[in-house]
Amino acid sequence: EVQLVESGGGLVQPGRSMKLSCAASGFTFSNYGMAWVRQAPTKGLEWVATISYDGSSTYYRDSVKGRFTISRDNAKSTLYLQMNSLRSEDTATYYCTRATYNNYFDYWGQGVMVTVSS
Amino acid sequence: DIVMTQTPSSQAVSAGEKVTMSCKSSQSLLYSENKKNYLAWYQQKPGQSPKLLISWASTRESGVPDRFIGSGSGTDFTLTISSVQAEDLAVYYCEQYYDTWTFGGGTKLELK
Repeated sequence: EVQLVESGGGLVQPGRSMKLSCAASGFTFSNYGMAWVRQAPTKGLEWVATISYDGSSTYYRDSVKGRFTISRDNAKSTLYLQMNSLRSEDTATYYCTRATYNNYFDYWGQGVMVTVSS
Repeated sequence: DIVMTQTPSSQAVSAGEKVTMSCKSSQSLLYSENKKNYLAWYQQKPGQSPKLLISWASTRESGVPDRFIGSGSGTDFTLTISSVQAEDLAVYYCEQYYDTWTFGGGTKLELK
């Protein structure tokens, strides 16, 4: 059974940093691209970043470019999202997702809440 | 960037009703080389993570009931629920994966 378990969220002040992790199990992690998708309170889904199966390619939405870094450790089957210079508009539930070869998202974690507030 | 527009934003339905919802993209999602539309539909129930229902505009995922029907091509797509059940009350999102990724704003199904 595919499982994606996010951790590392919480309350953080504007301008500070936070790192999210996603532990994957139930599939061969190194064969799949992975992504982060977020959802602000009462809002819709918003793609954040994607990384290829081997980490060689990364993609970001414009609003997080230069502030967020997606990475992975295939030996640990873990996905990361390093978030720097956080803003109030980054407040959201962050979901870890598995990307199929053709890049739609077939499995989602339960999500982790990030609140950026002073 | 490709913009995805879903209508209506919410819809009140009764059990057993046929429901349709629309998703329009700002540019074609049909890839000429393989004739596939790079469009997916997700269902998100209250308090839960999104769940993939349909990929390639019309291919149901394993285990998804056949009352969920995806159709359309190019820039205009539709999700139809042939006979709504109580457990189908949720928000439905379309998403393009033709060029990076973009979600529509969602259509919320509510009980009439």
